[in-house]
Order: sequence, then structure tokens, then C-alpha cells
Amino acid sequence: QITLKESGPTLVKPTQTLTLTCTFSGFSFASSRVGVAWIRQPPGKALEWLALFYWDGDTRYSPSLKSRLTITMGTTKNQVVLTMTNMDPVDTATYFCAHQPGYTFGQHFGFDPWGQGTLVTVSS
Amino acid sequence: FMLTQPHSVSESPGKTVTISCTRSSGNIASQYVHWYQQRPGSAPTTVISANNQRPSGVPDRFSASIDSSSNSASLTISGLRTDDEADYYCQSYDTNDYWVFGGGTKLTVL
Repeated sequence: QITLKESGPTLVKPTQTLTLTCTFSGFSFASSRVGVAWIRQPPGKALEWLALFYWDGDTRYSPSLKSRLTITMGTTKNQVVLTMTNMDPVDTATYFCAHQPGYTFGQHFGFDPWGQGTLVTVSS
Repeated sequence: FMLTQPHSVSESPGKTVTISCTRSSGNIASQYVHWYQQRPGSAPTTVISANNQRPSGVPDRFSASIDSSSNSASLTISGLRTDDEADYYCQSYDTNDYWVFGGGTKLTVL
């Protein structure tokens, strides 16, 4: 069974850097050609994809946020870390991580399952 | 590209509802479309993967299709139940290496 859980601060100040960790179980990058994605959802608004870390270390970023995002493997091999610089109140959102099963014949699978999400508030 | 969904739909219990997802540019059939259900306060869960595949545990009341003529995907829920009430999101991938979600559709079962 694949599970993921997000952790990090619940409150950050404007201009600070946010660091979130996704800790997962039930799969490994060493044995599965999969990825871990980060997605966010401002209160009452739609989902927005942020970044993805692939099993081979390759990364992908949302074009609109690329300059502020970094996604890396964590200190343990079952963690993926997202950092977002220069936080602003508009970045207040629930941040989710999710398992991405890779692709086949050039067609990319979606995100499944998702973590429970963590609400991050940006306020001074 | 963008994926455009109706903001909201409503229907009565037992009826059938269809939610559309229109791709603004590029061929809808070029990449899988996935559909997620999100109940209030919960994380999204997959109801349809890879255009029309139901994950284990999703009832066959949920189905989906792709229509190249309208460049859109559709999610159909038949035999509506009150617990189908949720937000539904479509998602697809752009070959420029990014994922896109639709704006979400709020389904009300009244």
C-alpha cells in the first residue's frame, strides 16, 4: 500500500522560504520508475501542479513558478523535499504531495494516491 | 494549454450527469486525461485514470470518454447518489513537461 505524508511549517512570513517534506512508503525510486509530485490548493480554489521529482533524479516545474521552486530527494531515500522562495500571502494554500506512476508509450499517468495535505499560511 | 470545466453542475439522485473538460490547444487525445474527486476537507482521489480506466474500488457508475471533434473529455456519473456530491477535476499532461488541472466542477446532488 502506497502512502504519502506532507510535513513542514504551518505558518511562514512573507519573503521567507518554505520547505516541505513528503515522506512516502510502499514504493521506492530504486525499484520503480515513478515520480513524486507537489500540488497546491488555495482555500476555495482549484488544484495547481507545482513540481515533480522522477525516480532517476530528473525534475519538472510549473512554468509560472519555476524560478521559485526546487524539488529534491530528502535526507532519506523515502523523502522528497520542495522549497519555495519568496513566499507571499497569495501562496497560502494546502500543499499536497502525490505518487506519479510514470508513463507508458509517451503517455503520462496521473497522481495517485495523494497525501492528506498540509495547510501553509503566509502572514506576518 | 488550459483545461476548461463548468464551474458547477447539479442533478437529482438517481439521474445521470456529465462533466466536460475542454482542452484549449493541442489534441485532447495526445495525452491521457485523468479525473479526480475531492470531497470537502479531503485530498483528491482518482475516479478515472488514463482516459477511461476505473481504479479498483470506483463503482462502474463512473465512466469517461474523449471526443477529438470537440477536443474535450467527459466524466459521466450515473445513478447519482448524495455522496457523489464533491468537486471534480480533470488533469492532463503537456509534452512541454508540465501537468495541467482543470478549474474544477462542483457537483451538487439535490
